[in-house]
Amino acid sequence: AQTVTQSQPEMSVQEAETVTLSCTYDTSESDYYLFWYKQPPSRQMILVIRQEAYKQQNATENRFSVNFQKAAKSFSLKISDSQLGDAAMYFCAYRRTNSGNTPLVFGKGTRLSVIA
Amino acid sequence: GAVVSQHPSWVICKSGTSVKIECRSLDFQATTMFWYRQFPKQSLMLMATSNEGSKATYEQGVEKDKFLINHASLTLSTLTVTSAHPEDSSFYICSAPRGGVGYGYTFGSGTRLTVV
Repeated sequence: AQTVTQSQPEMSVQEAETVTLSCTYDTSESDYYLFWYKQPPSRQMILVIRQEAYKQQNATENRFSVNFQKAAKSFSLKISDSQLGDAAMYFCAYRRTNSGNTPLVFGKGTRLSVIA
Repeated sequence: GAVVSQHPSWVICKSGTSVKIECRSLDFQATTMFWYRQFPKQSLMLMATSNEGSKATYEQGVEKDKFLINHASLTLSTLTVTSAHPEDSSFYICSAPRGGVGYGYTFGSGTRLTVV
């Protein structure tokens, strides 16, 4: 079974600085998708960024980027120029790509605080 | 696009009563809906998977008779918490696949259930 591990329960960053959230996963499959979701105090889950395992190029979405190391099974999220609105729980998630709709496998989350 | 509307957003009920939570896909057909439970400051725990027109698949340890899931149409899935007890108090979230396999999932806004 696939597992996702987020080893940092809490992180903090100064406004305008950069922070990196860690995520590792375990799978025997070669093709899959990885995601970072943000859950602000409203508790609405918001997709931040996604990465296809067969793509070597790291995904980027504005201030958010990932460092995808497939061999190491690592998928970290970098937030640049941190803003107060970035404060939230961040969940790393994994999805298989075989046929059928399979659920996301979530890590335990990292709570990010942004200090003004 | 790909919006899942979840209602109610919060509900308080008395012990022993039943509560129904609805998730509607507004602009797409959700053949599959995942139901999660989230305790404070914790990750999302998959409870069950519902597929339109068939019986739901429950995760190990989830009581089928307590958490009734119905997915009678391509746009509506419901979770009914029967004979609710205070320990059922939690945050419940539904989620459906959106777009292609690599596009992650769209989430409802969640329901905060308090049983008194």
